[in-house]
Amino acid sequence: ILNVEQSPQSLHVQEGDSTNFTCSFPSSNFYALHWYRWETAKSPEALFVMTLNGDEKKKGRISATLNTKEGYSYLYIKGSQPEDSATYLCAPRGSSNTGKLIFGQGTTLQVKP
Amino acid sequence: NAGVTQTPKFQVLKTGQSMTLQCAQDMNHEYMSWYRQDPGMGLRLIHYSVGAGITDQGEVPNGYNVSRSTTEDFPLRLLSAAPSQTSVYFCASSYRLATSEQFFGPGTRLTVL
Repeated sequence: ILNVEQSPQSLHVQEGDSTNFTCSFPSSNFYALHWYRWETAKSPEALFVMTLNGDEKKKGRISATLNTKEGYSYLYIKGSQPEDSATYLCAPRGSSNTGKLIFGQGTTLQVKP
Repeated sequence: NAGVTQTPKFQVLKTGQSMTLQCAQDMNHEYMSWYRQDPGMGLRLIHYSVGAGITDQGEVPNGYNVSRSTTEDFPLRLLSAAPSQTSVYFCASSYRLATSEQFFGPGTRLTVL
């Protein structure tokens, strides 16, 4: 099992602020990192899947970077909007063919208008 | 495609009762998983399967049984429900790739009295 930690646990920002949060995981035995967005009363939806050290992915105002050598990934949201309010989950995969995906506890973002 | 479907959407049980939560997917995904959502705990993996006939335990398997007789279906059985099993349960599926995103069902809200 890959132990994964996310910080902060929760975050409150004003509309228009940019923000970022962290996902930390053991750097050994790493294969891929998943980021999911989970809105209240809905199901989690995939944002990014990242595999390469130095990888950077972007979807609209949301982007993520990956450092596999030191075992962390950052998720950035530029110009936060109220609709960005959600819990953001990350999950590392420890091998190429494991069906097990274990999530961190998530960072809950609240964007105030 | 219907994607990942779960039934029922809501269920109330009495302590000691048994029931089966149904999960089906029509995307020919090899990997399927069951998670439970608990306040402050994020999503915790109960059981998962890498293909028909193959299942394994996740983080919190006690009190739950699974089987995978077909690629499409992955039911979760509660043999003797306990109040601690009150939760929202999500089923998810993906292709057999570490880089394949998981697709989640709409969830089943279970209350055990």
